[in-house]
Amino acid sequence: AQTVTQSQPEMSVQEAETVTLSCTYDTSESDYYLFWYKQPPSRQMILVIRQEAYKQQNATENRFSVNFQKAAKSFSLKISDSQLGDAAMYFCAYRSREAGGTSYGKLTFGQGTILTVHP
Amino acid sequence: DAGVIQSPRHEVTEMGQEVTLRCKPISGHDYLFWYRQTMMRGLELLIYFNNNVPIDDSGMPEDRFSAKMPNASFSTLKIQPSEPRDSAVYFCASSSLDTSTNEKLFFGSGTQLSVL
Repeated sequence: AQTVTQSQPEMSVQEAETVTLSCTYDTSESDYYLFWYKQPPSRQMILVIRQEAYKQQNATENRFSVNFQKAAKSFSLKISDSQLGDAAMYFCAYRSREAGGTSYGKLTFGQGTILTVHP
Repeated sequence: DAGVIQSPRHEVTEMGQEVTLRCKPISGHDYLFWYRQTMMRGLELLIYFNNNVPIDDSGMPEDRFSAKMPNASFSTLKIQPSEPRDSAVYFCASSSLDTSTNEKLFFGSGTQLSVL
């Protein structure tokens, strides 16, 4: 079974600075997706960024980028030029795409990291 | 499309009562997920369906929990009898594995369940 671990329950950053959130995962599969989701106090789940396992290039979305290390099974999120609106709970998630496998399509989340942004 | 629709948004009930949570996925999505979120355990996958068929229910806590998907546009999560430790936010989410949607998982707004 796949597992996702976020070892940082809480992180904080000064406005305009950069912060990195860590995520590791465990899988025996080779075809999968990784995601970062943001959950603000409104509790709505918002997709921040997505990485395909077969792509070596790290995904980037504006101020958000990832450092995907497939061999190390590591998937960290870097937020540059942090803004007050970035304050939220961030979840790392894994989704299986191993066709024919029993976990095909299954999406597993980490425990989450609460990010505080100080003005 | 209105997105994933969950009802009710809030539910307060007494221990021992039956609770039914409802979800309408986005039309055309063939995967539906039920998650539970608590402070202690984070976001847990309870069960997920593919084409209305339960694929993995290993996250369902115990026999008091049951989920059904009678058709592609409706799913229920039932707790009978409910207990205070079931208090949580329950999310429904839907998606497809169609790359045109970028594998995006769409969440409902959740049901805040309080069992007194």
